[in-house]
Amino acid sequence: DAGVTQSPTHLIKTRGQHVTLRCSPISGHKSVSWYQQVLGQGPQFIFQYYEKEERGRGNFPDRFSARQFPNYSSELNVNALLLGDSALYLCASKLQEGRGAFFGQGTRLTVV
Amino acid sequence: GQQVMQIPQYQHVQEGEDFTTYCNSSTTLSNIQWYKQRPGGHPVFLIQLVKSGEVKKQKRLTFQFGEAKKNSSLHITATQTTDVGTYFCAGFYGQNFVFGPGTRLSVLP
Repeated sequence: DAGVTQSPTHLIKTRGQHVTLRCSPISGHKSVSWYQQVLGQGPQFIFQYYEKEERGRGNFPDRFSARQFPNYSSELNVNALLLGDSALYLCASKLQEGRGAFFGQGTRLTVV
Repeated sequence: GQQVMQIPQYQHVQEGEDFTTYCNSSTTLSNIQWYKQRPGGHPVFLIQLVKSGEVKKQKRLTFQFGEAKKNSSLHITATQTTDVGTYFCAGFYGQNFVFGPGTRLSVLP
């Protein structure tokens, strides 16, 4: 069984550009969450989706948006990129609430 | 808002020594999870604690949840070089998990 897969693994963008990150959860997992991890810090919660509906949103600007598709895969979109958006973006899936989350390898985004 | 703190920020130990990291929340937690992240890797789920005063063991790792459900600890007995990484606690406040800043463990052979 494949784990959580994220694409791309690395990405370099210019300030002001837009980026789309993708995540495929573990088969059978309907909950997908997105986190931003800046170097040297813990992951910060961005969004959670369950059954295609947004279940939670962290303290991030409206430039950040996400969605979940019928096959439970998910996309994270970030508009008008800033240098401070450079980070490791992690996707995590879980079977249900109250269970541990399984993280993907992450997408390392560099904004120049 | 909810805040999760961890101490120490860094810990350097000699192989074979014990290690403990502490996690504190500003408010009562529904439950707490612990993750380990190796350098260059992604967080890997270790365990979840739910009950007040709960203690769980995984081989050389012992996890505790405080009586007031506002603090937790992870203790590693006789560290090995494979224990190197950053240990995060993540507190659940009813909607989502809030991660602490992590404790980075270095183990000298």
